[in-house]
Amino acid sequence: AQSVTQLGSHVSVSEGALVLLRCNYSSSVPPYLFWYVQYPNQGLQLLLKYTSAATLVKGINGFEAEFKKSETSFHLTKPSAHMSDAAEYFCAVSDPRRGGATNKLIFGTGTLLAVQP
Amino acid sequence: EAQVTQNPRYLITVTGKKLTVTCSQNMNHEYMSWYRQDPGLGLRQIYYSMNVEVTDKGDVPEGYKVSRKEKRNFPLILESPSPNQTSLYFCASSFLAGRGGNQPQHFGDGTRLSIL
Repeated sequence: AQSVTQLGSHVSVSEGALVLLRCNYSSSVPPYLFWYVQYPNQGLQLLLKYTSAATLVKGINGFEAEFKKSETSFHLTKPSAHMSDAAEYFCAVSDPRRGGATNKLIFGTGTLLAVQP
Repeated sequence: EAQVTQNPRYLITVTGKKLTVTCSQNMNHEYMSWYRQDPGLGLRQIYYSMNVEVTDKGDVPEGYKVSRKEKRNFPLILESPSPNQTSLYFCASSFLAGRGGNQPQHFGDGTRLSIL
């Protein structure tokens, strides 16, 4: 069964510092991968998605993620954190073999990012 | 504006009193899904629908019902709510994954349910 692991339920960085949020997946085939962001009292918004066209994916708000098959990872980064980046971030995976049947997403447990002034 | 609309946003109710959370999308999406979000567990799928009159169980369907009589609406029904269903609920929609690659899901703003 597919699973997603997000290391670190809480991450704190200083404003202007590098943001690195980790995501590892388990799948026998390269899956579809997504990062979503959840601001307080809001639903999830898509940050970026990987669908095998390119291993480095650029998303909104200056975020990007790199797909590394050898490490089964899809870590999210941003060179310089801003106060407005404080939110919860979710990594999600979809099995392309099943995606056509269910669109089902498996979510990680989330990482809460705090940005200190 | 393309959106997924859930109502109510907040609800406090008592054990056993039937309730319905509505979900509506205006993007003509075939696929709709309900998730619950609990601390430390991420989002877990309750039910999903691939089109009108086609629904199926997700990972945590016990105690919930859904219906899909119209393409735009996908209500979540709790026939006899219990305290363990206190949670944050999200509705999501997307085109089917077969449309040229996987489709990102669009989420509503959530419904916070408290069952006393």
